[in-house]
Amino acid sequence: NAGVTQTPKFRILKIGQSMTLQCTQDMNHNYMYWYRQDPGMGLKLIYYSVGAGITDKGEVPNGYNVSRSTTEDFPLRLELAAPSQTSVYFCASTSIWTSGSPDTQYFGPGTRLTVL
Amino acid sequence: DAKTTQPTSMDCAEGRAANLPCNHSTISGNEYVYWYRQIHSQGPQYIIHGLKNNETNEMASLIITEDRKSSTLILPHATLRDTAVYYCIVRVGRAAGNKLTFGGGTRVLVKP
Repeated sequence: NAGVTQTPKFRILKIGQSMTLQCTQDMNHNYMYWYRQDPGMGLKLIYYSVGAGITDKGEVPNGYNVSRSTTEDFPLRLELAAPSQTSVYFCASTSIWTSGSPDTQYFGPGTRLTVL
Repeated sequence: DAKTTQPTSMDCAEGRAANLPCNHSTISGNEYVYWYRQIHSQGPQYIIHGLKNNETNEMASLIITEDRKSSTLILPHATLRDTAVYYCIVRVGRAAGNKLTFGGGTRVLVKP
């Protein structure tokens, strides 16, 4: 099991450029999440998905789009990059409860994005 | 989800127990207490969770007060690799999306 993988690890964008951050999990998890983390701060939820074809906004969705065509993949799209989107982006996944208590989230290694 | 309050930072001596407090005075009966940690530049890592009973696993122990308004994460023998930011999160079990809300956490520095 590779767990949750993210690509790329680092990226520098110019203002107005677009890009897609990739996230893949091999644990057959239903739920997937995208967070961003600004320097010295906690993580903030951007978007999440409870299954293929179903996505919903988190706390800070503006400037981002997502799609979930398969269980394994949950890409995050930035259409018009802005300096305010400079951050570290983490993808996570979890499964629907099986044991009677909330399942834990497994995080990827992150993508460090700089917008200049 | 209930809000949590944690100290901003704390130091701990290597080999000693580290006791990390968390206040969650508005916790509801169906909310769990979760602890995650984030070692520098890495994704957060699950440590432990509990509802009302004390819990222990290979990483840590979680002590929840009887009124459930506060809890303490205990790292029994802190090592330098335990230097990280520790997040206390309170979350309703079967809430829509199983989302986590991260606060500022406690920055723990384990010193030799």
